[in-house]
Amino acid sequence: AQKITQTQPGMFVQEKEAVTLDCTYDTSDPSYGLFWYKQPSSGEMIFLIYQGSYDQQNATEGRYSLNFQKARKSANLVISASQLGDSAMYFCAMREIYNFNKFYFGSGTKLNVKP
Amino acid sequence: DGGITQSPKYLFRKEGQNVTLSCEQNLNHDAMYWYRQDPGQGLRLIYYSQIVNDFQKGDIAEGYSVSREKKESFPLTVTSAQKNPTAFYLCASSPESGAMNTEAFFGQGTRLTVV
Repeated sequence: AQKITQTQPGMFVQEKEAVTLDCTYDTSDPSYGLFWYKQPSSGEMIFLIYQGSYDQQNATEGRYSLNFQKARKSANLVISASQLGDSAMYFCAMREIYNFNKFYFGSGTKLNVKP
Repeated sequence: DGGITQSPKYLFRKEGQNVTLSCEQNLNHDAMYWYRQDPGQGLRLIYYSQIVNDFQKGDIAEGYSVSREKKESFPLTVTSAQKNPTAFYLCASSPESGAMNTEAFFGQGTRLTVV
C-alpha cells in the first residue's frame, strides 16, 4: 500500500487566492511526522512545514498552513494569497517512529498560479 | 554555509558504463539518503545510511551501489545493471537525533542521461 497519496497531479489557482493541496497517508505507527516540500523547476527541494502526529494544533508557517485531520489520515497543505512564485511541484512526505530514518514521499502535485 | 553539495549537476553516461554521483554534506548529519525522481513522479528511495560504514537498501536499490566511509560523504554508483538510469538523483541528509520534527535537507540534484 502507498504510504503517501497525493491525488491531484495538477492544480490551477488564481493569483492572490488560496489553494489546498491534498495528502493522505497510511501508517499504523503511534508517532509520525508529516512534511511538505516545494520543488521549483530548478529541482531543489525546499522544506515548507512540519506537523507531528501528537501536535494538537495545525502547523502554520507564514502563508502555509497544514490542515491535519488525524482520524481521516489527511494532511492537506493550504497556501493563502497565492503568488506567481508559488508555481512548482509540491510533495507530501512522512517519517514514522519505528522506521525513523526513512522519509516516504507522495507523487506530488504540480501547482500553476495564474496572473 | 552549511549544506549538501551534489556533483556534477549534469552527467551523461554511455550504455554499459558505471558512473558515480557525488554527495557531500557539512551539516554533521548522521543519516544520508539517495532518491531517484523520474519526470512528473515522486521521490523513490534508493539507499540510505544511518551511520558511517553502514547502509541499507531502499525500495529501488537494484543496479545501484553506495559507500559510507566518511560521515560527510555518501557517493552513489549507477552500474551497468541499472536498465533505465536516466533520471534526476537527489541526495539528502538528516540528523540522527531522534527528533521526529527534523526534516531532510536536500542537495541540488544530479540529472543523469544515458546517451
